[in-house]
Amino acid sequence: EAGVVQSPRYKIIEKKQPVAFWCNPISGHNTLYWYRQNLGQGPELLIRYENEEAVDDSQLPKDRFSAERLKGVDSTLKIQPAELGDSAVYLCASSLGLAEQFFGPGTRLTVL
Amino acid sequence: AQSVAQPEDQVNVAEGNPLTVKCTYSVSGNPYLFWYVQYPNRGLQFLLKYITGDNLVKGSYGFEAEFNKSQTSFHLKKPSALVSDSALYFCAVQSGGSYIPTFGRGTSLIVHP
Repeated sequence: EAGVVQSPRYKIIEKKQPVAFWCNPISGHNTLYWYRQNLGQGPELLIRYENEEAVDDSQLPKDRFSAERLKGVDSTLKIQPAELGDSAVYLCASSLGLAEQFFGPGTRLTVL
Repeated sequence: AQSVAQPEDQVNVAEGNPLTVKCTYSVSGNPYLFWYVQYPNRGLQFLLKYITGDNLVKGSYGFEAEFNKSQTSFHLKKPSALVSDSALYFCAVQSGGSYIPTFGRGTSLIVHP
């Protein structure tokens, strides 16, 4: 069974540019999470989806971040415009309800 | 509010010796507790969880953890460490019924040959 797929793995952009990350969760997992992990820290939740509905997005900086999960399967996280402080690893995870989460390899974003 | 503390940034142990990675938590209600491991340039990988039942939980790769309600702890243990266990370990807690986990800062485990 394929795990959680994320692309790209690495992205380097200049500040004020837009960037998008894509995630395909494990088949059948209805819950999808986007996290940001800064160096030396644990993951911090940005947004959680139940099927296609965003149900926890209080930590998402909505002035510049947006996300969507069309048809309740794969998801895209976008930043526009990117700032220097957005440099981090962006992790996608999926789960079946309250069960343990399965994480993708992450996208390492560097904003110059 | 819920929180997790991993008091050690780094744990060093010799191969073959037992290892312990500490985790304490604070949460309202019954806790769901998790341990994840992260290898370089990889996402987090689930090791084990406590939801209810026996306080001693066994997980992947020979790891186990003991839930101690009175001490609000969930320490990760392994009887005999391997060099390949060297990685970053994260403890996470969520309150019963919540879908939002809080992760600790992580503990770097280094197993010396």
